[in-house]
Amino acid sequence: ASQMTQSPSSLSASVGDRVTITCRASQGIRNDVNWYQQKPGKAPKLLIYAANTLESGVPSRFSGNGSGTDFTLTISSLQPEDLATYYCLQDLNYPLNFGGGTKVEIK
Amino acid sequence: QVQLVESGGGVVQPGRSLRLSCEASGFPFTFYVMHWVRQAPGKGLEWVAAISHDGRIEYYVDSVRGRFTISRDNSKKTLFLQMNSLKTEDTAVYFCATLAAADVWGQGTTVSVSS
Repeated sequence: ASQMTQSPSSLSASVGDRVTITCRASQGIRNDVNWYQQKPGKAPKLLIYAANTLESGVPSRFSGNGSGTDFTLTISSLQPEDLATYYCLQDLNYPLNFGGGTKVEIK
Repeated sequence: QVQLVESGGGVVQPGRSLRLSCEASGFPFTFYVMHWVRQAPGKGLEWVAAISHDGRIEYYVDSVRGRFTISRDNSKKTLFLQMNSLKTEDTAVYFCATLAAADVWGQGTTVSVSS
C-alpha cells in the first residue's frame, strides 16, 4: 500500500494568508485522497474527497488538487477558526494510510 | 440525527482484552464500509481496520493483525472491535468512522494499556 509523506509538519501564518499543504504518495494512487481537519480534542472532519471535491458544508476557501503521487490542500485565505491539524488519507489500497499531519497555527 | 457513538474503552493491563462498540444512527449503516481509526496521545491518526458492508471482508494494519478482530451486526447497526493481547502501544483514542463522502465519525473512546 502507498505511504503518504505530508509536509510541512507545522506552519504559522497570518489571517488572510494563502496556505498550502502537500502530500506525496509512495506510489500512484489516482485521485484517491481525502483531506481532514482535526481541532484539539475533537474527531476529524472531512474537508475534501477524491482529491478535489469539497465536502458539503465546507467553506469554499478550502480546495484540493493533484493526482497520481502529488496532492495539495490549499486554504485561500486563512481564518482564525482554521487553527487545527490537517491530515491526508489515501483510500485506494488497504492498509489505508494517513499522512503525518500538518499543525496550522495563526500568527 | 446522523451519529456514531463508541463505547467500551477503559484501562487494561498488557495481555488483556477489550471489546469496543460503535452504534450508528441516522444514516444507512448497512451500505457503508466501516473503519476504526486510532490516535495515540499527542500523535497523528492511524487507520486500524475496516470491514465490508456485508461483514464478509476484513482489513487490518499489520501491527494489529492476528490480535484485533473487526465485526459488525447490521441488524443492530453496530460495529465492533475485539482487541486481544493488548500492548502498551495500543494506548490511544479509538474512533469509528465511515471515511467516505458525507463522512461520519464517532466522538472516540479511550483505551489505556498499562501495568
